[in-house]
Amino acid sequence: QVQLVQSGAEVKEPGASLTLVCKASGYTFNHYYIHWVRQAPGQGLEWMGLINPSGGGTSYAQRFQGRVTMTADTSTSTMYMEMRRLTSEDTAIYFCAKDQEFSSSSHPDFWGQGTLVTVSS
Amino acid sequence: ETVLTQSPATLSVSPGERATLSCRASEYVSTKLAWYQQKPGQAPRLLISDASTRATSVPPRFSGSGSGTEFILTISSLQSEDFAVYYCLHYNSWPPYSFGQGTRLEIK
Repeated sequence: QVQLVQSGAEVKEPGASLTLVCKASGYTFNHYYIHWVRQAPGQGLEWMGLINPSGGGTSYAQRFQGRVTMTADTSTSTMYMEMRRLTSEDTAIYFCAKDQEFSSSSHPDFWGQGTLVTVSS
Repeated sequence: ETVLTQSPATLSVSPGERATLSCRASEYVSTKLAWYQQKPGQAPRLLISDASTRATSVPPRFSGSGSGTEFILTISSLQSEDFAVYYCLHYNSWPPYSFGQGTRLEIK
């Protein structure tokens, strides 16, 4: 069955960087885009961007352009999301989610369990 | 950027009754709209794709309708496990994808 297993909780200081990990299994990794979505405490869902693991093409929400980098390692079926220059407003749960569409982008169907990121001095 | 507005923000319904949730898009999105359910401490779960297609294992009491800019999620007879937050998401033209702000469905 499809599984997206995300890395554990992180605590970072303002100005730091972090890299989140999302390891996929149970499907053909190269064939499905991956989305990253975050959720601040008590708030709604915010789409951050997506990556095509086959070729590494990415698309980011404008507010994250230049601060977020999404990559994929096809040899280990693992996605990475690096975020730089963290502020307290980046405190949130970060989800990776597999796209529903084969070899294209449509919408997320299956989600990882989420990683809690806390940014605090 | 297409903005999705969900209403109401909170809906109080008794078990066994029908719930109707609305999602309005600021621009035309065809039927490129999905609905998700999120329970506390859990990841979102896909319920509906393409405005009206139930995802795998979603009970038939969940139904979606609409096209263009107006969409409805209906839960025909609420069960205890249905009380959660529901989000709509459009994917007609991106980036960016955008979610509605959510509707909290609570027990009356």
